[in-house]
Amino acid sequence: DVKVTQSSRYLVKRTGEKVFLECVQDMDHENMFWYRQDPGLGLRLIYFSYDVKMKEKGDIPEGYSVSREKKERFSLILESASTNQTSMYLCASSQKGGLAKNIQYFGAGTRLSVL
Amino acid sequence: DAKTTQPPSMDCAEGRAANLPCNHSTISGNEYVYWYRQIHSQGPQYIIHGLKNNETNEMASLIITEDRKSSTLILPHATLRDTAVYYCIVVRNSGNTPLVFGKGTRLSVIA
Repeated sequence: DVKVTQSSRYLVKRTGEKVFLECVQDMDHENMFWYRQDPGLGLRLIYFSYDVKMKEKGDIPEGYSVSREKKERFSLILESASTNQTSMYLCASSQKGGLAKNIQYFGAGTRLSVL
Repeated sequence: DAKTTQPPSMDCAEGRAANLPCNHSTISGNEYVYWYRQIHSQGPQYIIHGLKNNETNEMASLIITEDRKSSTLILPHATLRDTAVYYCIVVRNSGNTPLVFGKGTRLSVIA
């Protein structure tokens, strides 16, 4: 089974802190994604990556950056956390092309609270 | 990519078939229909996808109308564990366009 592991299930940080959310997948997937999910707004794509050292902005990249130094790991970085970044963060991965590229496997999520 | 319209919520009795509709009237010829679901406190889970033919797997069946403007996800014998938000997504299989998750349908399976 594909496994997508997010480093923390719950995280509490202070305003202004630099926050790292880590995601690791074990199926050699080329594609990785970061979403956030808020009540009434659904899942929104923050950043995605189709290869190592490659990144693409999603719908809401402001206030975030990402790092993909290794194929299996995709990190989401909040340079200076703010209260409006309190949310559930979900990581996903998929194979590169064809029909499989749209079959994403998700982690369990990290619920981040910024105080 | 084509947009989709789903009812915000539905109820279904346990053991009965759950039929979840999705309207995608602006779908184009090279776009597929994908369904995902999200059980509370978990990440979304892929269910099934199709282009124009009906599809069935161990989780569900997907019925796509002949004009492809709508589809129905069928859970043949709904259980309490099927209570979740179900997302219908239309996307091309070529290129790098990512999935766009709408608000989905919240299905409540009732004992």
